Amino acid sequence: DTGVSQDPRHKITKRGQNVTFRCDPISEHNRLYWYRQTLGQGPEFLTYFQNEAQLEKSRLLSDRFSAERPKGSFSTLEIQRTEQGDSAMYLCASSLGTRNEQYFGPGTRLTVT
Amino acid sequence: DQQVKQNSPSLSVQEGRISILNCDYTNSMFDYFLWYKKYPAEGPTFLISISSIKDKNEDGRFTVFLNKSAKHLSLHIVPSQPGDSAVYFCAASVYNTDKLIFGTGTRLQVFP
Repeated sequence: DTGVSQDPRHKITKRGQNVTFRCDPISEHNRLYWYRQTLGQGPEFLTYFQNEAQLEKSRLLSDRFSAERPKGSFSTLEIQRTEQGDSAMYLCASSLGTRNEQYFGPGTRLTVT
Repeated sequence: DQQVKQNSPSLSVQEGRISILNCDYTNSMFDYFLWYKKYPAEGPTFLISISSIKDKNEDGRFTVFLNKSAKHLSLHIVPSQPGDSAVYFCAASVYNTDKLIFGTGTRLQVFP
């Protein structure tokens, strides 16, 4: 198993454009998480799934953000009408069941110009 | 409102000595705590965890201590090695959710 993978690793976009990121979790993991990290801060929770069901979404997440996990395997995170404040590292993690350690991917670094 | 706090932004330790990283929390509903290590350009790597029913958990060179009354946990690394140089995050979750709340991290530098 190669661990959690994320694509792309880097994305530069202009303000107002839409972007989509992909995460492939560890194959047997049924829980998948999205976090965002900015410079000097720890990762901040965005949302998480159990199989294809989205169980929780951060209140800080604006309606420009949407995440899906259509078949309970890979997940996508879309940001519509990007703003400069969206520039951050977007991290995906997966775990086997609840109350188990989450394994993180390498992240997608988004820069909005 | 920072529920998980790492008040030391950096720590420098000589190789072979003990490294002690500290973390304080404010939410008494937290019942599961984890430590992660992060190298530049990589995602966080899980190190060790502890449930609130325990006060200590050990894994090789890493030991985590939990003091619930003080709402404090610490990570001990013995002996410290240059490869341990990284940013360390503590994280916590409330009993009915897997959402992790992270601290701001402590940069550990282990010098020869």
